[in-house]
Amino acid sequence: SQKIEQNSEALNIQEGKTATLTCNYTNYSPAYLQWYRQDPGRGPVFLLLIRENEKEKRKERLKVTFDTTLKQSLFHITASQPADSATYLCALGITGGGNKLTFGTGTQLKVEL
Amino acid sequence: ETGVTQSPTHLIKTRGQQVTLRCSSQSGHNTVSWYQQALGQGPQFIFQYYREEENGRGNFPPRFSGLQFPNYSSELNVNALELDDSALYLCASSLSLPASYNEQFFGPGTRLTVL
Repeated sequence: SQKIEQNSEALNIQEGKTATLTCNYTNYSPAYLQWYRQDPGRGPVFLLLIRENEKEKRKERLKVTFDTTLKQSLFHITASQPADSATYLCALGITGGGNKLTFGTGTQLKVEL
Repeated sequence: ETGVTQSPTHLIKTRGQQVTLRCSSQSGHNTVSWYQQALGQGPQFIFQYYREEENGRGNFPPRFSGLQFPNYSSELNVNALELDDSALYLCASSLSLPASYNEQFFGPGTRLTVL
């Protein structure tokens, strides 16, 4: 069956370090992958999109990689700050699927001083 | 530019009742998707509307239904509420173009509690 897995345990890191979050998927052939940030009690906020033919995307302190052979995406936040503390969700979209997304369960990131 | 808004923010219903949730899309967006998010889980796709027509449906029973209006606002209706329907219901709007994979703009959600 199709599955999207993200680290279920919270990730705690020190301010200034790089946070790396993982998204693994099985039985999918995604055309693209998106990462969202979600704060408690609020809707997800779009961060980055990477297509199947792209290896890496960057935006300011954020970097996403996409390895379709390993069926994995890594999401990096460099020089992390306490304000980066949130839950991060990966979401897959398929060809011909319009903008319908299948989300992982999310990883909670806590950046400590 | 106005963001996505949802109403109400919170709702308490009892089993067997019916509920209607509302969503106003971001200006210029022609597609709206609805998601259900249980506590500690990622959002699950319910269905999507594109230019007033249903454009895909997730694994939800027919008692979940929707509408999209000419101004691209939308409603989610749930009949015969069950305890497991308690969740955060999220509306997301986007601009669908051929062969595009656009970001989705989510509203703040409606927290539904079924007692």
